[in-house]
Amino acid sequence: NAGVTQTPKFRILKIGQSMTLQCTQDMNHNYMYWYRQDPGMGLKLIYYSVGAGITDKGEVPNGYNVSRSTTEDFPLRLELAAPSQTSVYFCASSEQGTHYGYTFGSGTRLTVV
Amino acid sequence: RKEVEQDPGPFNVPEGATVAFNCTYSNSASQSFFWYRQDCRKEPKLLMSVYSSGNEDGRFTAQLNRASQYISLLIRDSKLSDSATYLCVVNEGYSTLTFGKGTMLLVSP
Repeated sequence: NAGVTQTPKFRILKIGQSMTLQCTQDMNHNYMYWYRQDPGMGLKLIYYSVGAGITDKGEVPNGYNVSRSTTEDFPLRLELAAPSQTSVYFCASSEQGTHYGYTFGSGTRLTVV
Repeated sequence: RKEVEQDPGPFNVPEGATVAFNCTYSNSASQSFFWYRQDCRKEPKLLMSVYSSGNEDGRFTAQLNRASQYISLLIRDSKLSDSATYLCVVNEGYSTLTFGKGTMLLVSP
């Protein structure tokens, strides 16, 4: 059982570069989420999706974009990377909103220099 | 802005000790409550859901007080392997969860 798979696990970007963080789940979950976690801080919601074709902003969406063309995939796009985007990014999915909690991927550690 | 507040850490306890974590939440309409565990440099993993009647899973007991908007987690007979950060998590609506900053637990021999 793969669950939620994130790639890459680590990445170093230069300021101004762009990249896509990949997230895929094989549990047929409708709900998917992107969070970032900075040292000593809680997880902050970037974007979420309640189903294919539907996305919505979370608490900290600036500098990011998402798409949800399939149930399985929910990529996160960083355009014009900035040092403030240095963080650990977690993708998560859930079966029915918040009722059963989330399953997380193993994370992507991103450093922008 | 809705928030989830947790005890500041770290909590340093010897093996075998009982330790309690507390959490308060600001959204009185919240319906879903969880404790997650996060090991260093790993993803959060669901430890247990928290129900109005309270619930127990082995050495772990979670309780909810809706009137005070307060959640607790009790760990009995602490093991070295319990060392981790414990995250209090509350729903903001039907679709999203809000995470506390976490409380670090260090269990020593």
